Amino acid sequence: QSALAQPASVSGSPGQSITISCTGTSSDVGFSKYVSWYQQHPGKAPKLMIYEVDNRPSGISNRFSASKSGNTASLTISGLQTEDEADYYCASFTSSSTVIFGGGTTLTVL
Amino acid sequence: EVQLLESGGDLVQPGGSLRLSCVASGFTFINSGMNWVRQVPGKGLDWVAGISGDGARTYYADSVKGRFTISRDNSKNTLSLQMNSLRAEDTAVYYCAKDPYVSPLSWFDPWGQGTLVTVSS
Repeated sequence: QSALAQPASVSGSPGQSITISCTGTSSDVGFSKYVSWYQQHPGKAPKLMIYEVDNRPSGISNRFSASKSGNTASLTISGLQTEDEADYYCASFTSSSTVIFGGGTTLTVL
Repeated sequence: EVQLLESGGDLVQPGGSLRLSCVASGFTFINSGMNWVRQVPGKGLDWVAGISGDGARTYYADSVKGRFTISRDNSKNTLSLQMNSLRAEDTAVYYCAKDPYVSPLSWFDPWGQGTLVTVSS
């Protein structure tokens, strides 16, 4: 099964907003409420940013928000800060009882 | 504080075997499904396997099914991944990751620091 489709890179200036899309199929993103997003800084382990489509874990800034429509999930980061520069991955439970990740998006804060 | 500490990564020849471990602390281990996720250096994340809290149910990615076995010892708060018939494409950093529910495969938080497996002759 191919990875969920994410743009390879996005960029924005401090204070701006960006959105990262994550496109799957009716067997994964469109199928499941278990869509999540992870942030990964170089050399570090991934960190959960969003769970169950649009929920923020305790301690995650409300600048991070997410949604899903059909087979596409989206992560929006508002008020970009330099520390937001990282790789971002979406993930989804699938109808085959597996988990599929997106290919990852590198966010550059200019 | 929830902590996950992986170990066991090493250099192994193609066709060889390796066993990874992940020791958990800071939560009731049996109440959480657990997962292994790997990442080729410089590449994306790839889910490998998951196991339910009681160990009764296991799930695998097609790429490792029949070669890898996930297991857990709830008396020792330890998650394991037995990897057999290793291939060059199994070279990656392997992370263990906690699930919020007894059943795995929902979402992962937190992750361990990872252990590097290198398959090469």
